[in-house]
Amino acid sequence: GEDVEQSLFLSVREGDSSVINCTYTDSSSTYLYWYKQEPGAGLQLLTYIFSNMDMKQDQRLTVLLNKKDKHLSLRIADTQTGDSAIYFCAGRLFVFGPGTRLSVLP
Amino acid sequence: DAGVTQSPTHLIKTRGQQVTLRCSPKSGHDTVSWYQQALGQGPQFIFQYYEEEERQRGNFPDRFSGHQFPNYSSELNVNALLLGDSALYLCASRGGAPDTQYFGPGTRLTVL
Repeated sequence: GEDVEQSLFLSVREGDSSVINCTYTDSSSTYLYWYKQEPGAGLQLLTYIFSNMDMKQDQRLTVLLNKKDKHLSLRIADTQTGDSAIYFCAGRLFVFGPGTRLSVLP
Repeated sequence: DAGVTQSPTHLIKTRGQQVTLRCSPKSGHDTVSWYQQALGQGPQFIFQYYEEEERQRGNFPDRFSGHQFPNYSSELNVNALLLGDSALYLCASRGGAPDTQYFGPGTRLTVL
């Protein structure tokens, strides 16, 4: 089955950019997704990218997709303390990575 | 427009008991999926319902069962609860284009 991997922790200073990385094994995903989960809450869909795109920008969020390397990244510009959360990438809608815990230091 | 709703918010059960969790999908969505999220882990897919039938299933024992009603709402039932069933249970609904899922706030199940 599909495997999705992410680094578990990332710490940045407020105002810096954050880059969260994800690798996946299944290249048949039509869309790839980024979700955000705050403590005790459900998952919030942040953004998604169609598999035939290389990049998608949505306000402070930039998604980069490297299909050859099966690598997906999420860049958050001007990171704020409210961005502190766990970020999950997902493919094929049913398989999630373990999540990256982003800590934003003031 | 109400998003995905789940009930109850929290639930405490003892080993061996049975539990039913409920989910109402986002308006206009006809497909419901259930996930189990253990503490510190990503969500694990349990199963998906569409047109009142289970369409896909993850690697969960048949103690986990579900149902979808004509109004697209869904239930997740877990029998013979184990301590390891303690988790956040998430419901997600899906429909239309693009093909995305929206999650509810979850039900926190604690098995003692």
